[in-house]
Amino acid sequence: AQSVTQLGSHVSVSEGALVLLRCNYSSSVPPYLFWYVQYPNQGLQLLLKYTTGATLVKGINGFEAEFKKSETSFHLTKPSAHMSDAAEYFCAVSYSGGYQKVTFGTGTKLQVIP
Amino acid sequence: DGGITQSPKYLFRKEGQNVTLSCEQNLNHDAMYWYRQDPGQGLRLIYYSQIVNDFQKGDIAEGYSVSREKKESFPLTVTSAQKNPTAFYLCASREDRLGNEQFFGPGTRLTVL
Repeated sequence: AQSVTQLGSHVSVSEGALVLLRCNYSSSVPPYLFWYVQYPNQGLQLLLKYTTGATLVKGINGFEAEFKKSETSFHLTKPSAHMSDAAEYFCAVSYSGGYQKVTFGTGTKLQVIP
Repeated sequence: DGGITQSPKYLFRKEGQNVTLSCEQNLNHDAMYWYRQDPGQGLRLIYYSQIVNDFQKGDIAEGYSVSREKKESFPLTVTSAQKNPTAFYLCASREDRLGNEQFFGPGTRLTVL
């Protein structure tokens, strides 16, 4: 069974500081990994995804994530936080078997302090 | 513009009433999904459909029903059997290929009074 753990339901950073949102997954087969962002009362938008190939994935809005198989992690980073980054972020995992059920983490709310 | 629409954005119903949430997509995606979102619980899968006229229960299907008569449409009915229906409901679709991401609608916030 696949699962996703996001460490920290709330993260606060100062504007201009590094953003690091943690995601660990468990999957018995090679995973597909996703990060989504959600602004209040809106749907989710894809930030980036890992399927195969390069383990460092770049996404929109300056975010990137690195797939580390040995650590079963897919942490999301951004070098310099902007006020507009304040939102909730979800890590998700699916795999090549079955119907590709997607399992979401419980989310991390990012607060950016001016 | 291609995308997913959900209507209405906000919905209020009295306890004991059934209510249907609309989801339409013009992305030509085969797969469609319904999720429920509650604070601190992430997204939980209610139902999904991989093809027209076929759908499967997700993790929390009790008290909900769906239909998939057209590729573009996947309405969700919240029945009176759902014990705690107040939540934010999200519809998503996906092109059914390995590793493809889901595209989400803007959501419907249902409040049962």
